[in-house]
Amino acid sequence: DTAVSQTPKYLVTQMGNDKSIKCEQNLGHDTMYWYKQDSKKFLKIMFSYNNKELIINETVPNRFSPKSPDKAHLNLHINSLELGDSAVYFCASSPQASYYEQYFGPGTRLTVT
Amino acid sequence: RKEVEQDPGPFNVPEGATVAFNCTYSNSASQSFFWYRQDCRKEPKLLMSVYSSGNEDGRFTAQLNRASQYISLLIRDSKLSDSATYLCVVTPQAGTALIFGKGTTLSVSS
Repeated sequence: DTAVSQTPKYLVTQMGNDKSIKCEQNLGHDTMYWYKQDSKKFLKIMFSYNNKELIINETVPNRFSPKSPDKAHLNLHINSLELGDSAVYFCASSPQASYYEQYFGPGTRLTVT
Repeated sequence: RKEVEQDPGPFNVPEGATVAFNCTYSNSASQSFFWYRQDCRKEPKLLMSVYSSGNEDGRFTAQLNRASQYISLLIRDSKLSDSATYLCVVTPQAGTALIFGKGTTLSVSS
């Protein structure tokens, strides 16, 4: 059983398009996260939701909009994609916010051309 | 000063070697500390938590020095399968996100 799953695994799209990435966890965790790992391999938090409530919103362009329909799902919608958005996007979850270990999904490799 | 700093390496060692990584963090109020491992083109996975008293898990030993604000990871008897990037992770304060270092790359050769 996959604990944290993401779809799609690969996403190639053109500048200006709008795309979504979906994430689901079956661990019963309260908290979910979106991270971005750029070409320099630096992993940085973007958003975090705790029981469907946004608790962390880092300095991210407002073209990025997370949505959590329930605590097992956290989706990421990106409007007007730019070349600099190319990266690997990881979803993660943890039992509770911040202090607990996080379980990562396999990542979505986004390439904007 | 960056929040979490690591020597990026790479560390190239032969099988059986002992290798140590260090990591420093800038926020003295940081609460929790972890080492994660990331294989090439894969997701990060928790390797071990780091406790104030130090802790060991098989060939891996993690230590925390709060006074000097650094964390270390020691790997004994290195295996080929230990080749990966090791990420130092810190939770600065309650309710904040984990802060990841850029990672230290280890390559173990036969």
